[in-house]
Amino acid sequence: EDQVTQSPEALRLQEGESSSLNCSYTVSGLRGLFWYRQDPGKGPEFLFTLYSAGEEKEKERLKATLTKKESFLHITAPKPEDSATYLCAVRTGGGGSNYKLTFGKGTLLTVNP
Amino acid sequence: GAGVSQSPSNKVTEKGKDVELRCDPISGHTALYWYRQSLGQGLEFLIYFQGNSAPDKSGLPSDRFSAERTGGSVSTLTIQRTQQEDSAVYLCASSLVGGVTEAFFGQGTRLTVV
Repeated sequence: EDQVTQSPEALRLQEGESSSLNCSYTVSGLRGLFWYRQDPGKGPEFLFTLYSAGEEKEKERLKATLTKKESFLHITAPKPEDSATYLCAVRTGGGGSNYKLTFGKGTLLTVNP
Repeated sequence: GAGVSQSPSNKVTEKGKDVELRCDPISGHTALYWYRQSLGQGLEFLIYFQGNSAPDKSGLPSDRFSAERTGGSVSTLTIQRTQQEDSAVYLCASSLVGGVTEAFFGQGTRLTVV
């Protein structure tokens, strides 16, 4: 069974204090790892897709990286508006089920001014 | 439309009543998904549509749950005889092509069964 574990569950940073969120996964046949941001009362907002180990994607203060066992979401000099829950999801191959996303429980990030 | 639209945003219903949740996907997206998000839990897959067909309904929790999609567009998730454990946020997502492109989510419907 595919498993996705995110850590830490919650992270509190001061504005400008860089850090990383972790997403470790155990899957058979990775067909994509996805990062989403979710604000309270809203649906998840797509951030990145990573497909192969060594791949990196960047967007503003966020950079996502991927290895064979985990992904990191690096946040550089965060601002209070980066506060949100960050969700990691994997899509795996096999049969006709390579459309389904398996999500972790998320990391709640709070950035204090 | 510009994004995935879900209605209603909030729904409070009495235990035992039926509810219908609606999802209007991004125009042109052939794949549509329903997920459920309960407090403290990750997003749980419910059902996947490719066009009007649902090749995978394996995530539906019980036979009280059903969904349909018409015209390759709007989808309705129906929960019959609601129970308190059905209380959750129901999220709909669509993607241009199932299993290939990224999925975009709506804002969700918060269902409360009292």
